[in-house]
Amino acid sequence: EPEVTQTPSHQVTQMGQEVILRCVPISNHLYFYWYRQILGQKVEFLVSFYNNEISEKSEIFDDQFSVERPDGSNFTLKIRSTKLEDSAMYFCASSETRTSGGFDEQFFGPGTRLTVL
Amino acid sequence: AQSVTQLGSHVSVSEGALVLLRCNYSSSVPPYLFWYVQYPNQGLQLLLKYTTGATLVKGINGFEAEFKKSETSFHLTKPSAHMSDAAEYFCAVSGIAGGYNKLIFGAGTRLAVHP
Repeated sequence: EPEVTQTPSHQVTQMGQEVILRCVPISNHLYFYWYRQILGQKVEFLVSFYNNEISEKSEIFDDQFSVERPDGSNFTLKIRSTKLEDSAMYFCASSETRTSGGFDEQFFGPGTRLTVL
Repeated sequence: AQSVTQLGSHVSVSEGALVLLRCNYSSSVPPYLFWYVQYPNQGLQLLLKYTTGATLVKGINGFEAEFKKSETSFHLTKPSAHMSDAAEYFCAVSGIAGGYNKLIFGAGTRLAVHP
């Protein structure tokens, strides 16, 4: 069964360093998403991406964050200069289409736990 | 602001007992509603969803949920708990204020099932 994969499963970095979190969405999916979950808090939407551009982003997704689909399979989240408060579990998701007025299931990856020291 | 509230961060039931996980939402427009489950070290898996039509929806693993507009609720139930149901459960909404392509999650409920 197709699944969303994420690497690495755990990333430890020093404050101020850049990190890139990688995701491989399901191959025929067109919409891609990043969410994060700070320990003990809710899963929060960060950004959605379609047709090589951001379609929606939250207020969390500031200039320190960027997303890219560098090739036909990977979808990456970059944090330019990590802060302590960026420590969280980051989930990638993908969906096949966004039908007009409807909603297609988002398939989630297992997450990358980012620890900023 | 739109939101989702899950009552009870931890729920513990005996094997074979009824499972009831509560979810309430706030929205000025009819939302799309979802329940996701997360097993340890795994991603979020869709259990069931309500978009339109029948308000009682059935999902995987014997779970079901009922959309009650008057109560702004979407509680998740399962008649008989199994040990394998132990996991974290998230209620989510979408379609609020045109935000069809993002999910707004509740804080989650961790379900424990004991023999």
